[in-house]
Amino acid sequence: DIQMTQSPSSLSASVGDRVTITCRASQGISYFLAWFQQKPGKAPKSLIYAATTLKGGVPSKFSGSGSGTEFTLTISSLQPEDFATYYCQQYYSYPYTFGQGTKLEIK
Amino acid sequence: EVQLVESGGDLVQPGGSLRLSCAASGFTFSNYAMSWVRQAAGMGPEWVSVISDSGDTTYYADSVKGRFTISRDNSKNTQYLQMNSLRAEDTAVYYCAKAGGSTVRGTRIDYWGQGTLVTVSS
Repeated sequence: DIQMTQSPSSLSASVGDRVTITCRASQGISYFLAWFQQKPGKAPKSLIYAATTLKGGVPSKFSGSGSGTEFTLTISSLQPEDFATYYCQQYYSYPYTFGQGTKLEIK
Repeated sequence: EVQLVESGGDLVQPGGSLRLSCAASGFTFSNYAMSWVRQAAGMGPEWVSVISDSGDTTYYADSVKGRFTISRDNSKNTQYLQMNSLRAEDTAVYYCAKAGGSTVRGTRIDYWGQGTLVTVSS
């Protein structure tokens, strides 16, 4: 199975900040990487797929980069509604696997 | 608007069975692969199973293989997850998820349902 490792596990930031979350795959997954946002008690929501493609309706403050084994999610100009847990997921090979999550908290 | 509505979650004893359903609307159900993903309390999501648009191809996580069966009825716009021989470690919120394409290979998840809680306990 492909292991997905996110860093950091938690992150404190202020409104208006720009933050970056990293996701590393244990083997190459090309660009088959998605990012999800999850708020407490809610289902995950799709943000980015194919490593860099923003899902329709998602604000352009979210951006993704990377390919192969190293990927990043960047969120610019943080707003209160952006504080949540973020997960990466590889869909290169089964079983599809998720990172352990990065909890973004307000400083 | 894509809507995925799960049902069937319940409290069940270890060794018991349960069938989850996911009613889909807002898109042409028969054109898309569908998945189930679960999430235990305080943990990250765990992919469980996927079924192709026609239902002829399925994959399972090793943790559920041989115990769970995914299926779909395209005439009813509904997918199912039959869960047998349930264990305490199967306790989780189970999400229905729509794929971004018809095939099971290299297809992302683009929509999630609200989830249904399965609790396995005596």
